[in-house]
Amino acid sequence: GAGVSQSPSNKVTEKGKDVELRCDPISGHTALYWYRQSLGQGLEFLIYFQGNSAPDKSGLPSDRFSAERTGGSVSTLTIQRTQQEDSAVYLCASSFSSTGKETQYFGPGTRLLVL
Amino acid sequence: DQQVKQNSPSLSVQEGRISILNCDYTNSMFDYFLWYKKYPAEGPTFLISISSIKDKNEDGRFTVFLNKSAKHLSLHIVPSQPGDSAVYFCAVTFGNEKLTFGTGTRLTIIP
Repeated sequence: GAGVSQSPSNKVTEKGKDVELRCDPISGHTALYWYRQSLGQGLEFLIYFQGNSAPDKSGLPSDRFSAERTGGSVSTLTIQRTQQEDSAVYLCASSFSSTGKETQYFGPGTRLLVL
Repeated sequence: DQQVKQNSPSLSVQEGRISILNCDYTNSMFDYFLWYKKYPAEGPTFLISISSIKDKNEDGRFTVFLNKSAKHLSLHIVPSQPGDSAVYFCAVTFGNEKLTFGTGTRLTIIP
């Protein structure tokens, strides 16, 4: 069965440019999460979506970051005016429901490098 | 303020020996604890979990221990195998709250 997929797998961009990262969750999973892993850091929560509820954006580091989830499925994380400190691996995960006790299934991540 | 700490960024263990990974948390309200394992260029995968009503959960070579009074969680792998070399993240939650992950420990199993 298909797992969580993310695209692109790698992205190199210049400082100041906008980037879009895509996540395709597992079919039927209502919860979708975005995390970031910077070099030497843990998994930093960014945002999560649960069904039709308003997303929890409490982890977004600045207003340059935004995310949407269309039709309760595919999600796009957008970073505007990228900075070098945005360089990290961006991970998407989905789960059957949004309680923390539900197993999250992660995609392989998008490695972003801002020059 | 980090609610979940993995104080050892790395650990090396001889093949066949026991690997012990540690995790400390600050909030006594946490009631569910998980370990995820991550290989390079892959997303983390769920490994094992424990509820706060237990102090031990075992799954094959993997055992998770919970010491609520010390707010301490550990993962034991025995015997350690080369395929266990990975980064291990502990994660905690309570109620319906989202997970909070630790910073990870890189485990290297030496053949």
